[in-house]
Amino acid sequence: NAGVTQTPKFRVLKTGQSMTLLCAQDMNHEYMYWYRQDPGMGLRLIHYSVGEGTTAKGEVPDGYNVSRLKKQNFLLGLESAAPSQTSVYFCASSQATGITTRQELFFGEGSRLTVL
Amino acid sequence: DAKTTQPNSMESNEEEPVHLPCNHSTISGTDYIHWYRQLPSQGPEYVIHGLTSNVNNRMASLAIAEDRKSSTLILHRATLRDAAVYYCILRTGANSKLTFGKGITLSVRP
Repeated sequence: NAGVTQTPKFRVLKTGQSMTLLCAQDMNHEYMYWYRQDPGMGLRLIHYSVGEGTTAKGEVPDGYNVSRLKKQNFLLGLESAAPSQTSVYFCASSQATGITTRQELFFGEGSRLTVL
Repeated sequence: DAKTTQPNSMESNEEEPVHLPCNHSTISGTDYIHWYRQLPSQGPEYVIHGLTSNVNNRMASLAIAEDRKSSTLILHRATLRDAAVYYCILRTGANSKLTFGKGITLSVRP
């Protein structure tokens, strides 16, 4: 059982280039999230999705786009990369919440992006 | 979103209990208290969560104050592997996201 898989794990971009980070989960989770983490900081939410075909903005959405065409995949795109987007990106997923438990988030191992 | 306040860091000795505090004075009645930890160079991992009652699992215990304005994560016997950043987070029950602060950095001395 792979859990949450992120690709690529490392990438170096030049300013202005575009790229897509892929997050795949095999737990049939409804909810998926993209976070970024800068040195010495906590995680900040970029975008999230509560189901296939839906996306919503988080704390720091500017400069990023997302798509959730399939339930198991959540893509994060950078259309024109900037040095300020140098960061470690984490994807997470969780089951649909309700009154009871199972609200745990499962995280991937991270994707380290450097923009020169 | 209701916020949490944690000390920046804490040190502990190996094999001793560790109590990690968290204040959440603006917590609402439907907010769950979650704890996650992040080991070096890894993604965060779930530790425990609770609503009103104290909770225990194989990793830790969560003690929640009666007024729910604070909570404490208890590691019963710290190991070197427990050195990590621990995040205390509030989450409303349905359809909500987790907002991470800076967390508390736990160091464990051999």
